Amino acid sequence: GAVVSQHPSRVICKSGTSVKIECRSLDFQATTMFWYRQFPKQSLMLMATSNEGSKATYEQGVEKDKFLINHASLTLSTLTVTSAHPEDSSFYICSAKSRASINEAFFGQGTRLTVV
Amino acid sequence: QKEVEQNSGPLSVPEGAIASLNCTYSDRGSQSFFWYRQYSGKSPELIMSIYSNGDKEDGRFTAQLNKASQYVSLLIRDSQPSDSATYLCAVISSGSARQLTFGSGTQLTVLP
Repeated sequence: GAVVSQHPSRVICKSGTSVKIECRSLDFQATTMFWYRQFPKQSLMLMATSNEGSKATYEQGVEKDKFLINHASLTLSTLTVTSAHPEDSSFYICSAKSRASINEAFFGQGTRLTVV
Repeated sequence: QKEVEQNSGPLSVPEGAIASLNCTYSDRGSQSFFWYRQYSGKSPELIMSIYSNGDKEDGRFTAQLNKASQYVSLLIRDSQPSDSATYLCAVISSGSARQLTFGSGTQLTVLP
């Protein structure tokens, strides 16, 4: 199956700093990438959808100025959590789809963010 | 609002038994349905996808879809302790974004 690599797997940062998470499709071109957030004991909540070369579409309640998404190439999307606060501590997961995979999306390994 | 609902569990079954996981969805126009398994601290991994009414079998797993009842289920036969995980039902909505909407997940424990 297709491989999506997400980095870093864990990050601890100080409150007020910014953190960048990378999501790469290793063996296919990801025309669409999705960013999810998962709090403990809860399901995945979609934050935003990004298509290569265009601005991300954010879900209701997700601050686009706080969670900056860049999908500049067909193999890379980044999520930057700006001015992080402890309540942003969560498990962030990306997934990617190619033009050929109409239905199936492939998930990255996830990033555990802890803001102290 | 488009929703996917699952019994949160936890569900416990003895080793070798059949585990039955259920899911309902509200968007009648949904066409694609998925079951993911998620181990603690890991990202979801796809187990089954199903697109048409009826049963679909893959090894010990059987997915069942009933679009009229807006119901999808996952059966795990001969359950193993390694099957212990949270199982997420996911649906692709009928909107143009074709994004996955996840249920809250059912925690399954298979007791040795």
